Amino acid sequence: QLQLQESGPGLVKPSETLSLTCTVSGVSVSSYSHYWGWIRQPPGRGLEWIGKIQYGGTTFYNPSLKSRVTMSIDTSENEISLKLSSVTAADTAEYYCARQSFDGTLATFYFDHWGQGTLVTVSP
Amino acid sequence: DIQMTQSPSSLSASVGDRVTITCRASQAISHYLVWLQQKPGKAPKSLIYATSNLQSGVPSRFSGSGSGTDFTLTIRSLQPEDFATYYCQQYNSYPYTFGQGTKLEIK
Repeated sequence: QLQLQESGPGLVKPSETLSLTCTVSGVSVSSYSHYWGWIRQPPGRGLEWIGKIQYGGTTFYNPSLKSRVTMSIDTSENEISLKLSSVTAADTAEYYCARQSFDGTLATFYFDHWGQGTLVTVSP
Repeated sequence: DIQMTQSPSSLSASVGDRVTITCRASQAISHYLVWLQQKPGKAPKSLIYATSNLQSGVPSRFSGSGSGTDFTLTIRSLQPEDFATYYCQQYNSYPYTFGQGTKLEIK
């Protein structure tokens, strides 16, 4: 059964780099059949797409965050990672990882499974 | 960026009711739309993809329709577990964007 589990520090200081890991179980990340994405949700607010990565290293980032975001895949650990640099209080949010699967009808990828999320607070 | 606008922002209904939530895109997105359900303190759950295709395990009382810029999520015969916040999300173009959410509450 597919499970996505986010982990990382719950508290990050302003100007530092936020680093999160998404451990995937039940399916290998070493496949071109899926993309792996990150989405965040500030407390009490809506959802914001951060970006996505595919095995082989293809990435797509939200232009609003692109200068600060780096995603990577660790096939040996079956993990996806997110780094967000120069954080401010505005980056305080619940961070989710999610899988995208391929839809043959529309020939594109869509979100089908989400992790439970991890709350990151940016504070001195 | 494509802006997704949901209506209503909140909705009160009773168990057994039929409800419809609307999502409008600021430009045409063909059928590249997902509907998500989120309960308090929980991760979003994907309900429908490609506008009208149910995710595996999602009850058939959920249905989606639309194309272009206007989309709807319909829940037929509301159950107690359906009270949640619903989001639409477009994946026609980058960056992916979400609606602001529709909170479905018990009347």
